[in-house]
Amino acid sequence: QVQLVQSGGGVVQPGGSLRLSCDVSGYNFERHGMQWVRQAPGKGLEWVALIWFDGSRALYMDSVRGRFTVSRDNSRNTLSLQMNSLRVEDTGVYYCARHLGGTLEGVQGRLDHWGQGTRVTVSS
Amino acid sequence: DIQLTQSPASVSASVGDRVTITCRASQDVNNWLGWYQQKPGKAPKLLIFPSSSLESGVPSRFSGSGSVTDFTLTISSLQPEDFATYYCHQTHSFPFTFGPGTKVDVK
Repeated sequence: QVQLVQSGGGVVQPGGSLRLSCDVSGYNFERHGMQWVRQAPGKGLEWVALIWFDGSRALYMDSVRGRFTVSRDNSRNTLSLQMNSLRVEDTGVYYCARHLGGTLEGVQGRLDHWGQGTRVTVSS
Repeated sequence: DIQLTQSPASVSASVGDRVTITCRASQDVNNWLGWYQQKPGKAPKLLIFPSSSLESGVPSRFSGSGSVTDFTLTISSLQPEDFATYYCHQTHSFPFTFGPGTKVDVK
């Protein structure tokens, strides 16, 4: 069955860096886009980034663009999120999710499988 | 950016009740709107996408309707496992956005 297992995360000071990983199994990883979604403590869900199935493109929410980089290794079935220049407001649980369907432009898809989430705390 | 609003923000209900949650988009999202269920400490789960198509394995007591800017999630007969927070989510255009959520709790 489809599994997304996350690792990474932790506590970091403002301005620091963290790298999150998402190991995928149970389907042909290179056929589908992937997303990162986050959730601040006690708050709702927030889309962070989308990477195309082949890694050729990535899109980011405004507040993380230039600080976060999403990448994938299709030979290892792994998705990554490199987070630099972290801010207090980046604190939350980060989820990876499979982006199923959609067009070549990346829209109109759905998030049908999710990782278990990993906690990121940015605090001095 | 497309803003999604949900109402109510919370609803208290009993097992067997019919529960209706609405989601309104600030612009036309066509049918590219999904509904997700999230329980405390857990990842969200896809229920419906697009608009009215039930995801495989989701009980038929869940249904979705609507188009353009107005959408509805209905739980026809609330079950104990349905107490959770529900989010709508649009993938019509970037940046993708979620509604603020509707918490369904025990009356």
